[in-house]
Amino acid sequence: GQQLNQSPQSMFIQEGEDVSMNCTSSSIFNTWLWYKQDPGEGPVLLIALYKAGELTSNGRLTAQFGITRKDSFLNISASIPSDVGIYFCGYSGGGADGLTFGKGTHLIIQP
Amino acid sequence: GAVVSQHPSRVICKSGTSVKIECRSLDFQATTMFWYRQFPKQSLMLMATSNEGSKATYEQGVEKDKFLINHASLTLSTLTVTSAHPEDSSFYICSAHAGTGGYEQYFGPGTRLTVT
Repeated sequence: GQQLNQSPQSMFIQEGEDVSMNCTSSSIFNTWLWYKQDPGEGPVLLIALYKAGELTSNGRLTAQFGITRKDSFLNISASIPSDVGIYFCGYSGGGADGLTFGKGTHLIIQP
Repeated sequence: GAVVSQHPSRVICKSGTSVKIECRSLDFQATTMFWYRQFPKQSLMLMATSNEGSKATYEQGVEKDKFLINHASLTLSTLTVTSAHPEDSSFYICSAHAGTGGYEQYFGPGTRLTVT
């Protein structure tokens, strides 16, 4: 299956800082999905992207679908303690297909 | 909207026994449900795709006779881990797709399985 390269693997930041993470693929994708997972829970959908160049916001979160259709980034502005968790990018070939996830970015906010 | 539940949230069983995990879409009908497995500090890996009224489709390397999936209705899918062994200990998470045209999947809270 497709492989997603997600970076960074982990981030240690101060509260209030902005965060940026990204995913890349060697193949062209038709969709990018960003999820957040808290410890011991299932992932929660943050943003879904369907068009190349699309820029979508959800509160302090902003994600973009790269023009080349091979990458996407997720930004978090003015981080707060509840932003701590693991962020996954994901790809699906269609509604009836399972998701392929990146390895995740572990966000840690230092007091 | 788009709430998915799982039961149980945690289960401990003895080696050789079977365990059933339920996944329900609470406020929508799910044409397709998926089962994932997540080992500690790793990403989610798709195990199988479950379509209502038909046989599940399993990913390469996933034993269909060990992980039995039943999707009896548009709101319920079950995963039964048969003859469980310690290496089956993992976090099992289901997701559901509403079939509305988008690709979004909504995940349950997961089931922590420990096989002793």
